[in-house]
Amino acid sequence: AQTVTQSQPEMSVQEAETVTLSCTYDTSESDYYLFWYKQPPSRQMILVIRQEAYKQQNATENRFSVNFQKAAKSFSLKISDSQLGDAAMYFCAREDSSYKLIFGSGTRLLVRP
Amino acid sequence: GAVVSQHPSWVICKSGTSVKIECRSLDFQATTMFWYRQFPKQSLMLMATSNEGSKATYEQGVEKDKFLINHASLTLSTLTVTSAHPEDSSFYICSARVTGGNEQFFGPGTRLTVL
Repeated sequence: AQTVTQSQPEMSVQEAETVTLSCTYDTSESDYYLFWYKQPPSRQMILVIRQEAYKQQNATENRFSVNFQKAAKSFSLKISDSQLGDAAMYFCAREDSSYKLIFGSGTRLLVRP
Repeated sequence: GAVVSQHPSWVICKSGTSVKIECRSLDFQATTMFWYRQFPKQSLMLMATSNEGSKATYEQGVEKDKFLINHASLTLSTLTVTSAHPEDSSFYICSARVTGGNEQFFGPGTRLTVL
């Protein structure tokens, strides 16, 4: 099965500190997209960051960056200078060749003031 | 731009009735839309892929006769839950893929409660 695994059900970070959320995946494809989505209590899915597998450079969006290790099939999300508004569920996802998104089980991020 | 709406945002119905949920891409065309179901404290599970002008493709274990999908235009897909039962109570989310693009945009979701 083509799976996406998030091994951290919950993470906690002090405001202004840095936290890393882990994600591993399985695929037999050579080109694909990886995503991190944020789901706040409103349950609206918000795209945080996207990585194209054929690009070696790690994607960065302001305080959010990824560590993409293609050979290891690892795609972790680093949040710098954590803010209270970052508290949410974070889902890692991989897009397959049919454009379907396969989601991990999610990591709940708590931000301590 | 790239806004996806869902209607209704929440619905309560009696067991045995049918409920229709609409998913609209407001400012872009979407040849492909996806329907997900999310149970409390769980991840999103893909139910089906909706393609404009053709039959939907259902994921394994999803009953196509129970979850009817119609994608009649490039901006609208509907999901009808037929003969709903309490176990169908869930949060249903749609996403729309920009035609010719490589990003999906999600609707705000519909909370279905079947009594």
